[in-house]
Amino acid sequence: EAQVTQNPRYLITVTGKKLTVTCSQNMNHEYMSWYRQDPGLGLRQIYYSMNVEVTDKGDVPEGYKVSRKEKRNFPLILESPSPNQTSLYFCASSLYGVSNQPQHFGDGTRLSIL
Amino acid sequence: QKEVEQDPGPLSVPEGAIVSLNCTYSNSAFQYFMWYRQYSRKGPELLMYTYSSGNKEDGRFTAQVDKSSKYISLFIRDSQPSDSATYLCAMIKNYGQNFVFGPGTRLSVLP
Repeated sequence: EAQVTQNPRYLITVTGKKLTVTCSQNMNHEYMSWYRQDPGLGLRQIYYSMNVEVTDKGDVPEGYKVSRKEKRNFPLILESPSPNQTSLYFCASSLYGVSNQPQHFGDGTRLSIL
Repeated sequence: QKEVEQDPGPLSVPEGAIVSLNCTYSNSAFQYFMWYRQYSRKGPELLMYTYSSGNKEDGRFTAQVDKSSKYISLFIRDSQPSDSATYLCAMIKNYGQNFVFGPGTRLSVLP
């Protein structure tokens, strides 16, 4: 089954404790992206990757890092999480990252930073 | 001012109604437009995409783009309870893959 898998689905942690949210897709997609979703603000793009070793900032990259060492994986790293990063996070992938190709989204990771 | 604004909702309609969902945008660099549907506790899924001004129809859904007014709409005909979800407009600039989403409109279709 074609899917985007995020882990963990839920995480409660404390300020400053480094964490990584993993994202993996099994569709051989070149384009992958991370979003955060907050009430009233909708989905905002954090980082995206056009292919292995090619990443670029979205609209809200501050406080986040990503890496794309393999095509299937695109982890999101919070080096020193802060409470303003409490949010619902989605990873997505698509074949080439253009509008007529659907982005397949994972089911989300709810992060709470205390 | 946000780059993409969307009718905030929430919106409640009776089953069978015609629903109109709307977004406006401020940056004329946006050239590709999409509508995503998001069910509760799920990631968004692509409903429709369009590039040109005008209408595009797919079953009960019609996407409308007016680039001169920087305005896009999604119409749902014969709405069903299964259409109850949050609808997100999205767009990207002609020269990049940076997706910008509207904040979403929550729709409830009552049986």
